[in-house]
Amino acid sequence: EAGVAQSPRYKIIEKRQSVAFWCNPISGHATLYWYQQILGQGPKLLIQFQNNGVVDDSQLPKDRFSAERLKGVDSTLKIQPAKLEDSAVYLCASSRGLGTGRVMNTEAFFGQGTRLTVV
Amino acid sequence: AQSVTQLGSHVSVSEGALVLLRCNYSSSVPPYLFWYVQYPNQGLQLLLKYTTGATLVKGINGFEAEFKKSETSFHLTKPSAHMSDAAEYFCAVSDRGNNDMRFGAGTRLTVKP
Repeated sequence: EAGVAQSPRYKIIEKRQSVAFWCNPISGHATLYWYQQILGQGPKLLIQFQNNGVVDDSQLPKDRFSAERLKGVDSTLKIQPAKLEDSAVYLCASSRGLGTGRVMNTEAFFGQGTRLTVV
Repeated sequence: AQSVTQLGSHVSVSEGALVLLRCNYSSSVPPYLFWYVQYPNQGLQLLLKYTTGATLVKGINGFEAEFKKSETSFHLTKPSAHMSDAAEYFCAVSDRGNNDMRFGAGTRLTVKP
């Protein structure tokens, strides 16, 4: 089966500009995650979707970051305006997430990530 | 929300030696637990996971981990390190109720010839 697809792979922008990342999860996966991985650190969960609803966005800087998952499939993550400290790899992941009352397959499959450099 | 702590940001072993990477979680209810590996310039790959049942879990590449509820630990081991094991290893925890997944800071494993 095809893996999680992300684009672009690399992006360089100036501070105060805006940028968008795209993610196509594995077909049939209900749960989609966006993570921010700053160099030398572990991935930090930004937002989690279950189908097209938000489950957790407690660590998303909502004044500048936004994400949507229309129709419960593809997702986009946007930063506007970008700051220098936003330089990181943005990872998208998906899992089956079968829902309440059933055993969840919680294994997450990751895309290659988008490396963002803000200058 | 639950959290995970990885002890030691960098571990160095000789080829053929035992690998031990430590992970402790904080959660009032036993969560799902995972170890992921990240090779340079590559995405995260699942090594193994614990959800229920046997507490000793075997994964790919000869790695295994044991869930110890009393110690709230999920340490990763491999009896004999290989040069190809050099990578960054991340422990992750997922709450059973909402399927979220949180990662530790990672441990960089170096294998010396």
